[in-house]
Amino acid sequence: QSALTQPASVSGSPGQSITISCTGTSSDVGGYNYVSWYQQHPGKAPKLMIYDVSKRPSGVSNRFSGSKSGNTASLTISGLQAEDEAEYCCCSYAGSSTYVVFGGGTKLTVL
Amino acid sequence: QLQLQESGPGLVKPSETLSLTCTVSGGSISSSSYYWGWIRQPPGKGLEWIGSIYYSGSTYYNPSLKSRVTISVDTSKNQFSLRLGSVTAADTAVFYCARLTWPTWFDPWGQGTLVTVSS
Repeated sequence: QSALTQPASVSGSPGQSITISCTGTSSDVGGYNYVSWYQQHPGKAPKLMIYDVSKRPSGVSNRFSGSKSGNTASLTISGLQAEDEAEYCCCSYAGSSTYVVFGGGTKLTVL
Repeated sequence: QLQLQESGPGLVKPSETLSLTCTVSGGSISSSSYYWGWIRQPPGKGLEWIGSIYYSGSTYYNPSLKSRVTISVDTSKNQFSLRLGSVTAADTAVFYCARLTWPTWFDPWGQGTLVTVSS
């Protein structure tokens, strides 16, 4: 069982927006502004999409955005495209004994 | 462009030790700005952080795996390594290495290597 809770699946049509949630506790998501999001296509390595809650690495589309409220972080993808269909996983810092925790992943289907 | 490549046996027997190496190219593992990490993904399941290391040798482990894990670094070879002892079938996974900007910015990642634990 993963430390962070994500919905197993979400779906949306091309052009729509979707949001994926990532729920933790005050010891991880709620306690630090160190949440990152990864996109993973089947058989491929994860790719960093968001770091430090809402920052986008160079080269990542501005259709991807991140936010946090309390113990829940969110990844929003606007203007859905077929290529966005993938697994998305959140990650949070969890303090100086646990360090890093991941979510269980969310499968995004573009209808 | 920084690249990471995992290498090691694809099959390990139960109770033995899994050993993998990550070779870093296109940059120095001794950079003071970064750490280096191991992450695994059992088939059909989510990602699990195993541990991270700084070029100086400082290590940080997942508490649930700490008793079985050793991560080391060889700056002369621009490599870092993972040893996971007393493996069982539950340790079967794709193992990834990645550069880490502390604490959770893993980028880039290696392509991953599947390690199966079976007799």
